[in-house]
Amino acid sequence: AQTVTQSQPEMSVQEAETVTLSCTYDTSESDYYLFWYKQPPSRQMILVIRQEAYKQQNATENRFSVNFQKAAKSFSLKISDSQLGDAAMYFCAYRSGSSNTGKLIFGQGTTLQVKP
Amino acid sequence: NAGVTQTPKFQVLKTGQSMTLQCAQDMNHEYMSWYRQDPGMGLRLIHYSVGAGITDQGEVPNGYNVSRSTTEDFPLRLLSAAPSQTSVYFCASSYTRGGTGGSPLHFGNGTRLTVT
Repeated sequence: AQTVTQSQPEMSVQEAETVTLSCTYDTSESDYYLFWYKQPPSRQMILVIRQEAYKQQNATENRFSVNFQKAAKSFSLKISDSQLGDAAMYFCAYRSGSSNTGKLIFGQGTTLQVKP
Repeated sequence: NAGVTQTPKFQVLKTGQSMTLQCAQDMNHEYMSWYRQDPGMGLRLIHYSVGAGITDQGEVPNGYNVSRSTTEDFPLRLLSAAPSQTSVYFCASSYTRGGTGGSPLHFGNGTRLTVT
């Protein structure tokens, strides 16, 4: 069974600095997708970034980028020029490309604090 | 375009009561699902549906029923509420189960349910 692990329950960063959130996963599949979701205090789940496993190039969305290390099964999220609005819980998630359930498997989450 | 709409936002039930959490999406998504979010455990799949008339169990289905009579709607029914069902519930949808394109899940804003 696939698992996703986020080993940092809490992180903090100074406004305008860069922070990296860690995520590792375990799978025997070759076809899968990885996601980072942001959950602010409003409780809404917001897609931050998506990575296809078959793509070697790391995904980037504005200030958000990932470091996808397929062999190491690592999928970290880098937030550059951190802003107060980035404060939230961040979830790493895995989705099989061939599963019947379409299930997203989530990590436990990392709470990010941004200090002014 | 409303996306995924969940109602109610908050609900308090007594043990043994039943209720239905409503979920509707206007994106013509084939795939719909329900998750529950508990502290330190991320989100876990309760039930899912790959199209109208088709539903199946996820990871934690006990105590919940679903139906999918239309593409748009996917209600979650609690048959006899228990304190262990105190949680935040999310409905989510996507174009596919996660196959080609790795269609990301779009989430509703969640329902906070408390069972006393």
